[in-house]
Amino acid sequence: SAVISQKPSRDICQRGTSLTIQCQVDSQVTMMFWYRQQPGQSLTLIATANQGSEATYESGFVIDKFPISRPNLTFSTLTVSNMSPEDSSIYLCSVEKGRGGFDTEAFFGQGTRLTVV
Amino acid sequence: GIQVEQSPPDLILQEGANSTLRCNFSDSVNNLQWFHQNPWGQLINLFYIPSGTKQNGRLSATTVATERYSLLYISSSQTTDSGVYFCAGTTGTASKLTFGTGTRLQVTL
Repeated sequence: SAVISQKPSRDICQRGTSLTIQCQVDSQVTMMFWYRQQPGQSLTLIATANQGSEATYESGFVIDKFPISRPNLTFSTLTVSNMSPEDSSIYLCSVEKGRGGFDTEAFFGQGTRLTVV
Repeated sequence: GIQVEQSPPDLILQEGANSTLRCNFSDSVNNLQWFHQNPWGQLINLFYIPSGTKQNGRLSATTVATERYSLLYISSSQTTDSGVYFCAGTTGTASKLTFGTGTRLQVTL
C-alpha cells in the first residue's frame, strides 16, 4: 500500500487568487496523478506528473491553469490558478503501486476540498 | 474512451439490510478497483479485483472480466457504510484510472 499525505485538507479562497496543494508519499513512485471531483460528480484525471519531466495533461486541462511540480520521487504540488467559483471541487492526488507484472493498484490522498467565493 | 456505468445511482437502506452495487464497463479493463468515498471526501480502497471473488468482512466483490462487469455486495449494512462507492479501472497499457459514475448510499437507523 501507500501512505499519502495531502494538504491543505480544505480551504476557502477568494476568486482571482491561487492555491497550491501539496502531496507527499511515504515511498518513491514513478508517477503521481492529480484528479478533480466537482460537486456531485465522479473523479476526472487532470494530469500525470513524472519526476524530471513536464506533466502530461488530459484534454480540457492546461498547464497555465493547473501548473504542477514534481521535484523528487516522493512529492508533487498542484496549483489552481486564477480561481473562479467553478473551480470549487475536491482535488485528490494518487499514486500506483505494483502488484506484479504490469498490474497496479491506485491509492489516494485525503483530498483537498476547495471552495472559491 | 471507455465508459463506466454504475447502478443504482442512489440507494437508501435501513441498517442491517443487504445490497448489491453493479459496475458495467464498455470495454475490457485492467486493475479494477472498488473505492468508498466517505463524507469527508477521502477515497478508501475496498478491493483490487480484476477478476474472481474476494471477501473482506461484510463486504465482498465479484468481477466477471469476460462480461465486463463487477459487483460489490454489502451485507448487514451500518450507518458508517454511507457515502459514495466508485469502481474504476485502467485500459490497455495506460495507468490512468477511469472512474464510474458512482453509487451514493445512505444507511439509516
